[in-house]
Amino acid sequence: QQQVKQSPQSLIVQKGGISIINCAYENTAFDYFPWYQQFPGKGPALLIAIRPDVSEKKEGRFTISFNKSAKQFSLHIMDSQPGDSATYFCAASKGDDKIIFGKGTRLHILP
Amino acid sequence: DSGVTQTPKHLITATGQRVTLRCSPRSGDLSVYWYQQSLDQGLQFLIQYYNGEERAKGNILERFSAQQFPDLHSELNLSSLELGDSALYFCASSPYPSGPQHFGDGTRLSIL
Repeated sequence: QQQVKQSPQSLIVQKGGISIINCAYENTAFDYFPWYQQFPGKGPALLIAIRPDVSEKKEGRFTISFNKSAKQFSLHIMDSQPGDSATYFCAASKGDDKIIFGKGTRLHILP
Repeated sequence: DSGVTQTPKHLITATGQRVTLRCSPRSGDLSVYWYQQSLDQGLQFLIQYYNGEERAKGNILERFSAQQFPDLHSELNLSSLELGDSALYFCASSPYPSGPQHFGDGTRLSIL
């Protein structure tokens, strides 16, 4: 019940296309859902986060869509660029508990 | 730059040895987290300290231990090293017991 399942494991998208990464969770007590972006040789960096009282949050080309009833959330990257090529992790937490991370998605944007 | 400093960046050692990884959190952050990242294994949470006290424990082996010092820096000690311990070890920090975490750039540990 503590897991966060992320898919796909890897994704290849053409430049200018939309990249979509999906995550599902079981624990309905989760109340914080961040996404992290990790470039090779670097640590993960917080990209965008959402709480379950909203269904969508947008920051620039990055959008989180949240479906509370389905216990799913997704990251959409619009107009994907080669510089977006990285590993993306979804995550979830509740209250003061530790963050549970998904296994990551390796995104490659073709130039 | 996240403000979290990890040293050393790379460490090469042999099986059976012991190493210490060091983390300095962002200024003002009281929580320190340690993670292990292996190929295809994602981020495995090891342990969390908050203001010097152990707060949460994850999949940390008995051969591993950690502590947070009064100046809030933290050390992760890995002993009786095995080939399977080769991985990236990340430290993260946050101001509170939970919430957004800021990661360092990791220590790459290679066991020969």
